[in-house]
Amino acid sequence: AQKVTQAQTEISVVEKEDVTLDCVYETRDTTYYLFWYKQPPSGELVFLIRRNSFDEQNEISGRYSWNFQKSTSSFNFTITASQVVDSAVYFCALGLSNTGKLIFGQGTTLQVKP
Amino acid sequence: GAVVSQHPSWVICKSGTSVKIECRSLDFQATTMFWYRQFPKQSLMLMATSNEGSKATYEQGVEKDKFLINHASLTLSTLTVTSAHPEDSSFYICSVQKGGPHNEQFFGPGTRLTVL
Repeated sequence: AQKVTQAQTEISVVEKEDVTLDCVYETRDTTYYLFWYKQPPSGELVFLIRRNSFDEQNEISGRYSWNFQKSTSSFNFTITASQVVDSAVYFCALGLSNTGKLIFGQGTTLQVKP
Repeated sequence: GAVVSQHPSWVICKSGTSVKIECRSLDFQATTMFWYRQFPKQSLMLMATSNEGSKATYEQGVEKDKFLINHASLTLSTLTVTSAHPEDSSFYICSVQKGGPHNEQFFGPGTRLTVL
């Protein structure tokens, strides 16, 4: 079965704190893709990152970083020095290599308080 | 990235009427588009894959006669909710994928449908 689990439903932090959003996936495919999207209150999903199953190298983009570990089937997302503008729902998704379909996790609502 | 528009951004209709939602790829030709539905405080659920020039592929549990998809050109896909009922009220989102199934999808701004 293909599945994505984001166990944290809601997280609340104070501005400047670091926060990690967890994502665990399940698939039997050897080739797959992992994504993170941000959905601000406006509703439009914003693409953040794509990772393929053969690339476990961690990535950093400004205050954002991602940790991909195949051994634990996890693709966690860390925001360093969080800001109020980071408040949004964050979705982790598993992409199927043959069809391009995305399977989304339930999402984590992040609230950053000033 | 890719620029995707949807029209209308919101619509309110009476139960029993049909509603058409348009999804346009503004900056490239999309042979494949995806339609999702998102209920309040829930995740996105894929409804169907829209293929230009052929029939859409529906996910299990999605009624193809109720949710009509037409992908008549490389820049336009439409979703028609036929005989809408209050339980069809939701946020409908389309996406496009550039360059193949291994790439990221870019999403439209969504259409909020409210059926009275």
